[in-house]
Amino acid sequence: GAGVSQSPSNKVTEKGKDVELRCDPISGHTALYWYRQRLGQGLEFLIYFQGNSAPDKSGLPSDRFSAERTGESVSTLTIQRTQQEDSAVYLCASSLVAGSNSPLHFGNGTRLTVT
Amino acid sequence: DQQVKQNSPSLSVQEGRISILNCDYTNSMFDYFLWYKKYPAEGPTFLISISSIKDKNEDGRFTVFLNKSAKHLSLHIVPSQPGDSAVYFCAASEAGYGNKLVFGAGTILRVKS
Repeated sequence: GAGVSQSPSNKVTEKGKDVELRCDPISGHTALYWYRQRLGQGLEFLIYFQGNSAPDKSGLPSDRFSAERTGESVSTLTIQRTQQEDSAVYLCASSLVAGSNSPLHFGNGTRLTVT
Repeated sequence: DQQVKQNSPSLSVQEGRISILNCDYTNSMFDYFLWYKKYPAEGPTFLISISSIKDKNEDGRFTVFLNKSAKHLSLHIVPSQPGDSAVYFCAASEAGYGNKLVFGAGTILRVKS
């Protein structure tokens, strides 16, 4: 595909359940980012991966959140024991490299609703 | 602590007129600034950027101005078109932090025909 693909597009889950969100970046993009957008707020950085370097996890809000990436391909964001405040749109983005001259290309996001 | 602020939640402009969207930042280490545009149910798309060594960057109908002393940037769209109606996000990054962007809360632009 031409763009960043995220699945599922919508996810409704009960409080306390685990969820897994998937991101397929643009082929050849070495950097991959996860952001989330709560209702009425801006995008909040969660984590980014650059090649084989250790990921920058500085934005993860709690230890219930984790993410993995296999090589320079698919990434999964896992939220354990979901809480209602986790409800948000989770956006994945990729860029050719992790540098300021390489704009982020975003997917359409996964809308997570925790009931 | 919001490092990037967009103080106008919404803006309404007549088709053909200029739209001016504003953004303020507090982190003096930011050296690269971007504007993203977002339609409902879609991810943000990159619009235009500016490095801190410049004070203006123009791309067609879109111009971004940077005033470093005031820690302020603005996006000008002229002439505005109905298809420009979207949410516009200002974002900034700091050298050495990869492409980790700090976003503002966004401004909803409505262009009336």
